[in-house]
Amino acid sequence: GQQLNQSPQSMFIQEGEDVSMNCTSSSIFNTWLWYKQDPGEGPVLLIALYKAGELTSNGRLTAQFGITRKDSFLNISASIPSDVGIYFCAGQIGRNAGNMLTFGGGTRLMVKP
Amino acid sequence: DAGVIQSPRHEVTEMGQEVTLRCKPISGHDYLFWYRQTMMRGLELLIYFNNNVPIDDSGMPEDRFSAKMPNASFSTLKIQPSEPRDSAVYFCATQLAGGLTDTQYFGPGTRLTVL
Repeated sequence: GQQLNQSPQSMFIQEGEDVSMNCTSSSIFNTWLWYKQDPGEGPVLLIALYKAGELTSNGRLTAQFGITRKDSFLNISASIPSDVGIYFCAGQIGRNAGNMLTFGGGTRLMVKP
Repeated sequence: DAGVIQSPRHEVTEMGQEVTLRCKPISGHDYLFWYRQTMMRGLELLIYFNNNVPIDDSGMPEDRFSAKMPNASFSTLKIQPSEPRDSAVYFCATQLAGGLTDTQYFGPGTRLTVL
């Protein structure tokens, strides 16, 4: 089946540093999503990407939909302690409600104040 | 709206026991998804419903797992008999039909431990 390879698996950075993580797929996706999961909670959507090449920002977060539609990256600028958590990419073939998501393995981010 | 509600938040049981996890979707949402999260396998889709009807259950691990959605306000995921390898966090997520993909909202999860 489809698989998403997400890297790095974990990062331990200093507050104020920028962070970059990415996701690659063996298959094409028409939608890429980035979620954040805090301890003891469910994933929360951060950014959604719908077009190849699209670059979208949400505050200090920026994500891009790769041209090949097989990859995406997420950048976090000027990290702060509350950025700690697990970040997941997710790919979806369609755009309509009910299409299944395939998740990456997650990137665990730790920020040292 | 209270969001997606799951109960219990934590469940500890012994191998062989029946486990029932519950989910109350966001009112008006047409789709409901059950996911399982483990360290080894990450987030996996188990089954999803549209208007209370199961659409795809190909992710259900085996016959010990079953899910129902008797009405638009309630869904259950049952494991009988439970095994230690079923230990995981189980999430319910719901989505509004006609919305974009970004409307899949997750509940807080049920952490299941099978001893």
